[in-house]
Amino acid sequence: EIVMTQSPATLSVSPGERATLSCRASQSVSSNLAWYQQKPGQAPRLLIYGASTRATGIPARFSGSGSGTEFTLTISSLQSEDFAVYYCQQYNNWPPRFTFGPGTKVDIK
Amino acid sequence: QLQLQESGPGLVKPSETLSLTCTVSGGSISSSSYYWGWIRQPPGKGLEWIGSIYYSGSTYYNPSLKSRVTISVDTSKNQFSLKLSSVTAADTAVYYCGVVVAAIGAFDIWGQGTMVTVSS
Repeated sequence: EIVMTQSPATLSVSPGERATLSCRASQSVSSNLAWYQQKPGQAPRLLIYGASTRATGIPARFSGSGSGTEFTLTISSLQSEDFAVYYCQQYNNWPPRFTFGPGTKVDIK
Repeated sequence: QLQLQESGPGLVKPSETLSLTCTVSGGSISSSSYYWGWIRQPPGKGLEWIGSIYYSGSTYYNPSLKSRVTISVDTSKNQFSLKLSSVTAADTAVYYCGVVVAAIGAFDIWGQGTMVTVSS
């Protein structure tokens, strides 16, 4: 079973600053890695899939990179609406199994 | 644009079976372009994939829940359903249904979620 880890657990950032979130898989997931944003009381929203492709309607300040076991989500200039919890998820296996990381909370510094 | 809506009881007694339905609008549940799934989130915790069902009817479950989970599709109603048996307080969570667009591979669209509490 593939285990996903994320760091840091909490990231305190000032508006306008850059945020870098990390995700690691216990074994290679190729580029089958997604990032989601979740705000309190809301369902998660897909931000990135294929490790680096932005989903429809996602602003360009969100970017993803990495492959294999190491991945990064970068928010280039944090806006007020970006303070949320971010989850990575792998979807590499066959038969399909989706595994989420524990999340990184981005809060206001 | 696809939309999903969960429905079902908000309170289930311990040892009983949790049953939820996800109604799909804006697209066909029989389409080979999509596959469907359930995800849950205990209060204050992270996300856990429960299982998925494909247009072919094939099902895939989280190994940690496999013995208690059944996911099925009702094409006549454009719905898919989740049954989780022998529930305990640990199954208390917000339950989401979601759709994976085959070309994307990740859960692209989610329902709003429904809170299910297991308590006597």
